[in-house]
Amino acid sequence: QKEVEQNSGPLSVPEGAIASLNCTYSDRGSQSFFWYRQYSGKSPELIMFIYSNGDKEDGRFTAQLNKASQYVSLLIRDSQPSDSATYLCAVVSGGGADGLTFGKGTHLIIQP
Amino acid sequence: DAGVIQSPRHEVTEMGQEVTLRCKPISGHNSLFWYRQTMMRGLELLIYFNNNVPIDDSGMPEDRFSAKMPNASFSTLKIQPSEPRDSAVYFCASSLQGAVNTEAFFGQGTRLTVV
Repeated sequence: QKEVEQNSGPLSVPEGAIASLNCTYSDRGSQSFFWYRQYSGKSPELIMFIYSNGDKEDGRFTAQLNKASQYVSLLIRDSQPSDSATYLCAVVSGGGADGLTFGKGTHLIIQP
Repeated sequence: DAGVIQSPRHEVTEMGQEVTLRCKPISGHNSLFWYRQTMMRGLELLIYFNNNVPIDDSGMPEDRFSAKMPNASFSTLKIQPSEPRDSAVYFCASSLQGAVNTEAFFGQGTRLTVV
């Protein structure tokens, strides 16, 4: 059984600070890791993906992967109120032959 | 491309009725996924297709649920008979299988309410 665990939150962060979102996964065969953002009443949209150990930066977002610890995180720098949403961690095993397995998401609130 | 298109956006039906949800994936994508989202269980993968062939339906909760993909541009998820516990948002997503960065693009979802 593939499992992806996230703290449901809510995680409250002041505007301008760094928001840190964490995720662990159970399947050591997982090869690709994704962070999706979902606004209330909307569909999930991809923020970043990562498949190599280490950090990957894209604008204000940094994804971090540690396969040995089966841990992936997302950092959001200079947090904005528009970043308030639920952030979903998802993993894929193999070469994409399986569907994404999602965590239940972390509800992030950026306080102005 | 218009993205993944789902219909209807909202569906309210009475318990025992048949419900059919529809999905048109992004042109050129060869993988299609049906997900269900509830507050309690989050996003659950129900079934996925590769090249129109069902690969894994282990997430389908009961025999009341069935899915088809008759061609590369259309898929349906049917619930018969529907029950109140089926109330959820159902998402369809598509992707290009085989790439490491297999991003799944989601439709807008169908909010199903069974009363």
